[in-house]
Amino acid sequence: NAGVTQTPKFQVLKTGQSMTLQCAQDMNHNSMYWYRQDPGMGLRLIYYSASEGTTDKGEVPNGYNVSRLNKREFSLRLESAAPSQTSVYFCASSGWRRGNQPQHFGDGTRLSIL
Amino acid sequence: AQKITQTQPGMFVQEKEAVTLDCTYDTSDPSYGLFWYKQPSSGEMIFLIYQGSYDQQNATEGRYSLNFQKARKSANLVISASQLGDSAMYFCAMREPNTGNQFYFGTGTSLTVIP
Repeated sequence: NAGVTQTPKFQVLKTGQSMTLQCAQDMNHNSMYWYRQDPGMGLRLIYYSASEGTTDKGEVPNGYNVSRLNKREFSLRLESAAPSQTSVYFCASSGWRRGNQPQHFGDGTRLSIL
Repeated sequence: AQKITQTQPGMFVQEKEAVTLDCTYDTSDPSYGLFWYKQPSSGEMIFLIYQGSYDQQNATEGRYSLNFQKARKSANLVISASQLGDSAMYFCAMREPNTGNQFYFGTGTSLTVIP
C-alpha cells in the first residue's frame, strides 16, 4: 500500500543547479499538491493540480515549475536553485472536491542548497 | 487574512491529562472541511480527524475529538489521556471545495507530553 511516493528523500544542490522532485500516487486521486515546510511557517502551497490537465499557483510559486504528467504523477522542478529554496518539500494528493477525504502526504524531500 | 490561525506555538501537557489545541478559521464558503494532522519528529504527516461544515455533531476518533463551534469559526482539537507518543507538531487545515480543492494550513502547535 504505497500511497504517495516522493523521490528523492534527500538532496544537496549547489546554487544555480536544477532538479526535479518526483511524486506519484496510487490512490486514483484527482488532486495533487506540492508544499514546502520551513521552521515556524507551517506548510505553504507551491503549486497544485485540482485535476489531471490543470495546474495552478499556490502561495509561493516563484522559482518553481510543475508538470502533471498524468493522473498519478506530479513533478516539481527547480530551474535554478537558490539557498532560499532550502526546505522540506511535501507532495500530497486528495480525492473528490467534496466530502471528508483528507490529503495523503508523501514522506518529504529534504533539500539543501549551498 | 490568514485562513487558518493557530495561536499556540508550543504546549505542554502532563501524561494522562487532556489538552486542547486551538484553531480558528476564516471562510465565506458555506461548504468546507476542517482537518487535523499530526507530524511527529520523524516528519511524516498523519491525518487525525475531520469535521464537515454541515456536520451537526462534533467529530471523534478514539482519543481525538474536535470541538467545532461554527459561529465562532473555531475547530479545536482535544486529545484525551495524553500519551508520550502524542508529542509532535499538530496542524489544523481547511479545505475549500470552491477554490480548486485547496487546503489551507495553520502554522502548527508543538505539543510536548511530560511524563
